[in-house]
Amino acid sequence: ETAVFQTPNYHVTQVGNEVSFNCKQTLGHDTMYWYKQDSKKLLKIMFSYNNKQLIVNETVPRRFSPQSSDKAHLNLRIKSVEPEDSAVYLCASRDISNERLFFGHGTKLSVL
Amino acid sequence: GEQVEQLPSILRVQEGSSASINCTYENSASNYFPWYKQEPGENPKLIIDIRSNMERKQTQGLIVLLDKKAKRFSLHITDTQPGDSAMYFCAATVTNTGKLTFGDGTVLTVKP
Repeated sequence: ETAVFQTPNYHVTQVGNEVSFNCKQTLGHDTMYWYKQDSKKLLKIMFSYNNKQLIVNETVPRRFSPQSSDKAHLNLRIKSVEPEDSAVYLCASRDISNERLFFGHGTKLSVL
Repeated sequence: GEQVEQLPSILRVQEGSSASINCTYENSASNYFPWYKQEPGENPKLIIDIRSNMERKQTQGLIVLLDKKAKRFSLHITDTQPGDSAMYFCAATVTNTGKLTFGDGTVLTVKP
């Protein structure tokens, strides 16, 4: 049963545009993540938020910025997309009692 | 940070046989090792996990083994079925750090 909800499912845009992706979890977890899954299916962590505090910020380009209004929501904004940003962006929520991570269905971004 | 190496990247087996995927990690402090299954077009889903206080865990046709001295862990799928065909990811983390590092994935194909 999905408890990590992402919107939109797909987004097609052109180089230089700004995009925003939304994520909401209904699991009551304190920690949420953004992962990038590229065309080779590699899963790379981008950001982690623990109860609205950024605790991990991997070496991602500055055009990416996470935004969190509360512990149940973690959005991702890309200021000026580049072709290499084409990927699936997976939001995840972590249960700190057992370390288990639950993924949303992802947002597939295509940059033309 | 942690580095996780996963092999093989591609695995093809005959239905009814077993399949094994191996992972190694670098950080001797890592103590939680989950495995995720990702079917085409779907999100990664946790299928089994093992903690460092165990050497073996089994559930529903899945066996995971952990060798802490060798910093190696593995997934064994017994009696494979076509429905087991998917991408499998191993991962490792130190609990409470909030940073789960994934292997590069294994594409498993079970031939009827």
